[in-house]
Amino acid sequence: SAVISQKPSRDICQRGTSLTIQCQVDSQVTMMFWYRQQPGQSLTLIATANQGSEATYESGFVIDKFPISRPNLTFSTLTVSNMSPEDSSIYLCSVEAEGGAEKLFFGSGTQLSVL
Amino acid sequence: QKEVEQNSGPLSVPEGAIASLNCTYSDRGSQSFFWYRQYSGKSPELIMSIYSNGDKEDGRFTAQLNKASQYVSLLIRDSQPSDSATYLCAVNAGTASKLTFGTGTRLQVTL
Repeated sequence: SAVISQKPSRDICQRGTSLTIQCQVDSQVTMMFWYRQQPGQSLTLIATANQGSEATYESGFVIDKFPISRPNLTFSTLTVSNMSPEDSSIYLCSVEAEGGAEKLFFGSGTQLSVL
Repeated sequence: QKEVEQNSGPLSVPEGAIASLNCTYSDRGSQSFFWYRQYSGKSPELIMSIYSNGDKEDGRFTAQLNKASQYVSLLIRDSQPSDSATYLCAVNAGTASKLTFGTGTRLQVTL
């Protein structure tokens, strides 16, 4: 499986600021996704990060709030903009396994707390 | 709305026993089914996948799928304290690796 590195691993931020989370994969992957896991909740897909084009967002998530970049097949960033305490969550980068079959592997996650 | 339902638990089993974790899903078009294990403070780890009706065994783990009943389960034989974690059921309805996750069942294996 691919090795997925995420940073920062955790951060405490002030309301109204923005945080950019980086995801680096040790091999080229086609499909890369960003998930959110709010406290006590399951994982919710935010968007699919598309290489060289705009990300595809799920219902309830918008580009202005969660801008995503994917400049190549090994790297992506998620920005959480104009943060509020409701954005406190774990943010996870995930990639599809080589060969597909819809198997996803996850990065170590970024635990975000907004004061 | 596509849903995946799991009992949140905790499910408590003694060491050496069989743990049975259950999951139901609402979308009859679902094609692929996965079980993830998530330790506290860690990211989810894929442990099993199943695509057709019946049982699939991998070591101490057995996944069971019944598409007619829209039901998927995970059996863990000879449960160990290290199996204590939250187990997430995930379902794909065939749209490019987009998984819908259940809320997870917390398993506690007691000594």
